[in-house]
Amino acid sequence: AQSVSQHNHHVILSEAASLELGCNYSYGGTVNLFWYVQYPGQHLQLLLKYFSGDPLVKGIKGFEAEFIKSKFSFNLRKPSVQWSDTAEYFCAVNANTDKLIFGTGTRLQVFP
Amino acid sequence: DVKVTQSSRYLVKRTGEKVFLECVQDMDHENMFWYRQDPGLGLRLIYFSYDVKMKEKGDIPEGYSVSREKKERFSLILESASTNQTSMYLCASSSLHAGDTDTQYFGPGTRLTVL
Repeated sequence: AQSVSQHNHHVILSEAASLELGCNYSYGGTVNLFWYVQYPGQHLQLLLKYFSGDPLVKGIKGFEAEFIKSKFSFNLRKPSVQWSDTAEYFCAVNANTDKLIFGTGTRLQVFP
Repeated sequence: DVKVTQSSRYLVKRTGEKVFLECVQDMDHENMFWYRQDPGLGLRLIYFSYDVKMKEKGDIPEGYSVSREKKERFSLILESASTNQTSMYLCASSSLHAGDTDTQYFGPGTRLTVL
């Protein structure tokens, strides 16, 4: 069965630190990959997505993610986090279905 | 702008009650989804629908049913609420149109507490 793993459950950073959140999936075929973010008290919203083409994808608010097919990974990065990035981040994968498989989420706390 | 609305942000019900959660989207999307979100478990798919009057079971359909009588509306029904159904329920929709396929748009969620 398809699955998505987010190994970092809770990450605590100071402002201006660099961020990398891991995401690995288990499926050998073509995939569409997503990162969603949920700010405190707000609804889940799309941060970025990869369907095809350049494996380095840029999203909103300075986030980017790199699809490495050989590693089945789609890690999220940001060179310098801000307090406003405090949120929960979810990786999701779609593999030739209309369903998304979500990871368990990573809670990011950024302190000023 | 894409919009998915859910009928209630907070709901408190008693064990055994029948509960209806409503979701409406205004993007003319074909697909609609119901998830529950629990700490440490992420989002788990309960049911989804590809079209009016069509429904498919997700990963955790037990104890739930759904209804889609109109394209824009997707209802989640708890026939007899139990305490283990206390959770945050999220509705989402997506389009079949090329270029945006698979991107799901989420509502604000309904936090249901079953006492």
